[in-house]
Amino acid sequence: AQSVTQLDSQVPVFEEAPVELRCNYSSSVSVYLFWYVQYPNQGLQLLLKYLSGSTLVESINGFEAEFNKSQTSFHLRKPSVHISDTAEYFCAVQGGSEKLVFGKGTKLTVNP
Amino acid sequence: DVKVTQSSRYLVKRTGEKVFLECVQDMDHENMFWYRQDPGLGLRLIYFSYDVKMKEKGDIPEGYSVSREKKERFSLILESASTNQTSMYLCASRRTGGLQPQHFGDGTRLSIL
Repeated sequence: AQSVTQLDSQVPVFEEAPVELRCNYSSSVSVYLFWYVQYPNQGLQLLLKYLSGSTLVESINGFEAEFNKSQTSFHLRKPSVHISDTAEYFCAVQGGSEKLVFGKGTKLTVNP
Repeated sequence: DVKVTQSSRYLVKRTGEKVFLECVQDMDHENMFWYRQDPGLGLRLIYFSYDVKMKEKGDIPEGYSVSREKKERFSLILESASTNQTSMYLCASRRTGGLQPQHFGDGTRLSIL
């Protein structure tokens, strides 16, 4: 079985500041890792995903996540955030079945 | 682009009613999922289906059932609605295999009075 821990439930930052949203997972099998974003009153959208290869994965809107196998982490980072990045972010893991296991989410609030 | 459509954005029902939430996807995905989302609890899987007429219980199936008569449609049924089923319900679909992501609908916010 897999589990996901998002270490911060809320992260407030100022615009143009860097941000890191932390995610740790546990699994007894190889996993796929995902980050999803949920803007207010919307469903979840895929931000980025990792299976293998380069441990650094990038999305089209400036976010990146780094897979660290030894620490079983998949932290999400952005060097400079915008007001429009305000959303809830979910880390998820999939391994051994079609099911995704989600973390409880991190609410990112970007203040002017 | 994949489109997952949930029939209602907002729904208000009374306790004891039988409630149907409908979800349709247009990309011929084999797998479909129903989650509920509650503040501080993230997404919890209620049921999923990996083929027509096939279903598996997720983490919190009690009080719910599902129906998948056609590949594109997956229905969630609250047999006798209760106030603790007030929540946001999200449907998702996914193609089998590889690093295929789940695609989500916009959600149905269900209130049981």
